[in-house]
Parts: sequence; C-alpha cells; structure tokens
Amino acid sequence: ETGVTQTPRHLVMGMTNKKSLKCEQHLGHNAMYWYKQSAKKPLELMFVYNFKEQTENNSVPSRFSPECPNSSHLFLHLHTLQPEDSALYLCASSQDPLAANYNEQFFGPGTRLTVL
Amino acid sequence: SQKIEQNSEALNIQEGKTATLTCNYTNYSPAYLQWYRQDPGRGPVFLLLIRENEKEKRKERLKVTFDTTLKQSLFHITASQPADSATYLCAPLRDDKIIFGKGTRLHILP
Repeated sequence: ETGVTQTPRHLVMGMTNKKSLKCEQHLGHNAMYWYKQSAKKPLELMFVYNFKEQTENNSVPSRFSPECPNSSHLFLHLHTLQPEDSALYLCASSQDPLAANYNEQFFGPGTRLTVL
Repeated sequence: SQKIEQNSEALNIQEGKTATLTCNYTNYSPAYLQWYRQDPGRGPVFLLLIRENEKEKRKERLKVTFDTTLKQSLFHITASQPADSATYLCAPLRDDKIIFGKGTRLHILP
C-alpha cells in the first residue's frame, strides 16, 4: 500500500451505533489530519495531530473522538451521531506540521458516511 | 470572520482554451496559498503552492498568481484538455491555520 489509505470506504450507521474510521499513512509523515466534507460546503478541518499529539480541535462535537496511537495511524471514533453528520470524512498527512514548513497535504480517498 | 470565495460553482471551457479560476479571501492574510484538484469520490491532490512574496508560479500547463493587495489568487490551465475536468480547491494558510474554499467545478468541453 502506498500513500494514505482509509477504511472503510463506505459506512452506513444508525444514530445509536458506535463505529470507527481508520486512516494509515505509509509516507513517514509526522502530521495527520481529519477533515469533513459535506455537499456544497468547503472542507472543514476537524482535528490535527503533530508527532502523535493533538494540537487542534476545531470545536468538533464530542460524539467524534480521535485517536492517534502512533505517527502512522489515525482513528476517528463515532458514537450517537446525527443525520447531519453524514458526509465524506477525509484523512490527510504532511511531512511536518503546517506551521513548520508549509508542506502539501496528502489525502486519503475518504470514507463516505451515512447516518440514518 | 475569515472568508474564502472561489469564483463560481462551475465553469465550462472549450478544449484547447485557457481556464482561469479565481480565489478571493477576506479578513485573512495568508502567508501562502495552495491549490488542489479533487475528482469525484476521491481525496484532493496537491498541485501548486505559492508564497506571499511570490507573484507567480508555474508548473507545466499550470500557472498560479498571488496578489496580496487584491487579496486574490488566479489559477490558470493553458491548452486545457478534457482530462483537466475536476473540482479545484484553493487553500490559503498562515501559521497552522488552513482554510479551504468550496471549489470550482471545471468542465473542459471536447
């Protein structure tokens, strides 16, 4: 596998379910990100991890819980979601934190989430 | 509040012509600006980066300009091809804050 991978690619869940999204980067990068992309809306940055430490949480509701066990893996744990949380969830990585070197971000293919 | 506007939701350009996409920002002073391409069902792919002290950047058929006075970046694709059809996103950034525009859907008509 190369680049940034995400699983699952599609997920349908009820509002009472608990599920997790997984992201893995094979690029040796030190920063990882979760984004939400809804129809007709711009990409919204949700969480930032630099060297496994969370450095940004853009007022994301607590029903979204990120986890970064090491610099190659990032999870997004989901529980009691709402239908308006249905969106494409994208993971990205960059060599260094954004402020350090203005690196390009490498995105995964995303997980298309539908909340019923 | 900070705002990023990309000129139109969709743009139709005849094959072989130059496509020009606009990105305007307000209440923001980015140190640099990135452009990404996104195809349906896929994540964005980085294309170009331009710094605030650079007026213009080129890569093959792509050209980006950055005017900090007008608070605007222009993205040009010369000799456009149907394969250039995609959504193009601009993303200004300063420090550790990056904001993406909604994107412009570009259709190159054969």
